[in-house]
Amino acid sequence: ELKVEQNPLFLSMQEGKNYTIYCNYSTTSDRLYWYRQDPGKSLESLFVLLSNGAVKQEGRLMASLDTKARLSTLHITAAVHDLSATYFCAATNSGGSNYKLTFGKGTLLTVNP
Amino acid sequence: SQTIHQWPATLVQPVGSPLSLECTVEGTSNPNLYWYRQAAGRGLQLLFYSVGIGQISSEVPQNLSASRPQDRQFILSSKKLLLSDSGFYLCAWRGLFRSPLHFGNGTRLTVT
Repeated sequence: ELKVEQNPLFLSMQEGKNYTIYCNYSTTSDRLYWYRQDPGKSLESLFVLLSNGAVKQEGRLMASLDTKARLSTLHITAAVHDLSATYFCAATNSGGSNYKLTFGKGTLLTVNP
Repeated sequence: SQTIHQWPATLVQPVGSPLSLECTVEGTSNPNLYWYRQAAGRGLQLLFYSVGIGQISSEVPQNLSASRPQDRQFILSSKKLLLSDSGFYLCAWRGLFRSPLHFGNGTRLTVT
């Protein structure tokens, strides 16, 4: 059974600082997804990582995937208050017909002025 | 472009009452459809998914059921709600094999 673990689960940052959220998964996966959820809202897709070594960047967020280490990272550069949200990673089992995404528990990010 | 509609946005129901949440997708055909629940602890729990009309896979034993009467319609139901059914219910769809899930706006259900 695929398990996805994120850490930290809670992250309080100062504006302007850098930090990384880690996402480990337990079995082979060649697809990793990052989502953002604002309080009381639904989930918004941020990144789709489809191969080993994939790197995607959007503004102050950069996501990467290392399939050999079964690790994805979400790096935050020079954080701003607008980045405050819960961030989820999700993975699927590789191979075969796979329809299910397994989500991590989420990282609640608070960016303080 | 594709859109997903989910309703109602908020629902307050007494224990033992029935439930019906509906989700429809526009602008695509033969999507994979999903129901997730998010409880107060923030994690997302996959309840049901469907790869086609009438094809439902259940992930967690519970008093909920799902149906897909049409290609782009997914319904979550219960005959008798429990207090533990309270939560944020999210419908999602997925098109191409490696594409991400696209979520609806969610239904916040409170069982009293």
